[in-house]
Amino acid sequence: DAKTTQPPSMDCAEGRAANLPCNHSTISGNEYVYWYRQIHSQGPQYIIHGLKNNETNEMASLIITEDRKSSTLILPHATLRDTAVYYCIVRVAPGTGTASKLTFGTGTRLQVTL
Amino acid sequence: GAGVSQTPSNKVTEKGKYVELRCDPISGHTALYWYRQSLGQGPEFLIYFQGTGAADDSGLPNDRFFAVRPEGSVSTLKIQRTERGDSAVYLCASSFRDPPTEAFFGQGTRLTVV
Repeated sequence: DAKTTQPPSMDCAEGRAANLPCNHSTISGNEYVYWYRQIHSQGPQYIIHGLKNNETNEMASLIITEDRKSSTLILPHATLRDTAVYYCIVRVAPGTGTASKLTFGTGTRLQVTL
Repeated sequence: GAGVSQTPSNKVTEKGKYVELRCDPISGHTALYWYRQSLGQGPEFLIYFQGTGAADDSGLPNDRFFAVRPEGSVSTLKIQRTERGDSAVYLCASSFRDPPTEAFFGQGTRLTVV
C-alpha cells in the first residue's frame, strides 16, 4: 500500500472548517483513499473514502486532486467533539485478491478550540 | 450487540504468562482484523481473517503470537510467554468483504505485562 504523509498536528477554532491535508504521491490506480479518526481511548472510526471523485457524507467531505497524489479531508463546522487523531490511509480495494489491511501512519492530531 | 466487542477491556499479566484476547465481530462480517497500538503510534496491523482462514498474517511479530477464528465469527488472539514489550492496546475490527467498505473497530484490550 502507498505511503501517506500528514502534518503531525493542527488547530481549528470551533465552528470553522477544518481542512486536513494528506500526500500520497505513490498511489496506484486501484488504490482508494480512506480517512479514519481516533478519539482518545477509543478505537478508530471510519469517516469517508474515495477513489478519484470528490465524496461527501454526513461527517465530512473528501477532495482528491486530479492526479490523485494528494487529498484533503474537510470537516465543515468543527466542534470540540471532533478533537482526535485523523489518519489518511491508502488501500487496495478488498476483493481484488490482495491484502485488505489498513496501514496506519501516525496521523494528524486535530485540536478544536473554543 | 451492534458493535465489535472485545474482552477483557483491560488485562494485566506477569512476564512469561500466556494470555488470550477475544473479539466478537459484527454479525455477518466476514473479514476480521487484529491490530496493536503502542502509546503515541498509529495502529499496527497484525493479522487479517477472511472467514475462518488467515488471509494475511504478515504483521504477527513472532511465533509467540497466534490467532484463530474457528467458526468464522469470534476470534481469539493468543500470546505465549508474554514480554514487557507486548504491552499495548490490541484492537479488533470487522467488515464486509465487498464492496470496499469501512472497518468497524472495537474499543480494544489494554494489555499490560509486568
